[in-house]
Amino acid sequence: EVQLLESGGALVQPGGSLRLSCAGSGFNFGSYAMYWVRQAPGKGLEWVSGITGSGVNIYYADSVRGRFSVSRDNSKNTLYLQVNSLTSEDTAVYYCAKGHGDWKGNYFDHWGQGTLVTVSS
Amino acid sequence: DIQMTQSPSTLSASVGDRVTISCRASQSIDIWLAWYQQKPGKAPKLLIYEASRLESGVPSRFSASGSGTDFTLTINSLQPDDFATYYCHRYEDYWGTFGQGTRVQI
Repeated sequence: EVQLLESGGALVQPGGSLRLSCAGSGFNFGSYAMYWVRQAPGKGLEWVSGITGSGVNIYYADSVRGRFSVSRDNSKNTLYLQVNSLTSEDTAVYYCAKGHGDWKGNYFDHWGQGTLVTVSS
Repeated sequence: DIQMTQSPSTLSASVGDRVTISCRASQSIDIWLAWYQQKPGKAPKLLIYEASRLESGVPSRFSASGSGTDFTLTINSLQPDDFATYYCHRYEDYWGTFGQGTRVQI
């Protein structure tokens, strides 16, 4: 059974940083692209970042490019999202999601339960 | 950037109704569209991929169609478990975009 477990969410002050993690199990982690999607309170889903299975190709939404950094450690079956220079607009539940493959376009066939990042002074 | 527009934003329905949700892309995305269901406090769940293919385990009352720029999700004989928010998601490129969501309420 595929499982994704996010961690690392917290209350952080504006301008602060966090590192989110997503531990995957039940599938060959390194063979699939992985993604981060966020959802602000009461709002819709926002695609944040994606990384191919090898970690070579990385993509960001314009809203986070330059502040967020995605990476993965396939030896640990773990996906990361380093979030820096946080503002109140980054307050959201952050989900990791598994791509259905490791190619150009992927839908998300499994999702984690999410981790909450709250940016407030 | 390709934008996704869902309609309606909210839909009121009753158990047993047939409901239809639309999703329009600002440019052609061929068939590279997925639909997800999300319940409050839960992660989204994949329903449909490649515009019309039903994910394994999803009830057959869910169906979808479309290609290019216009797509539709249909729920036949709405069940109590179907009251949720539905999102379309275009994935024809390395990055993606979600529609704004459609809340199906009683």
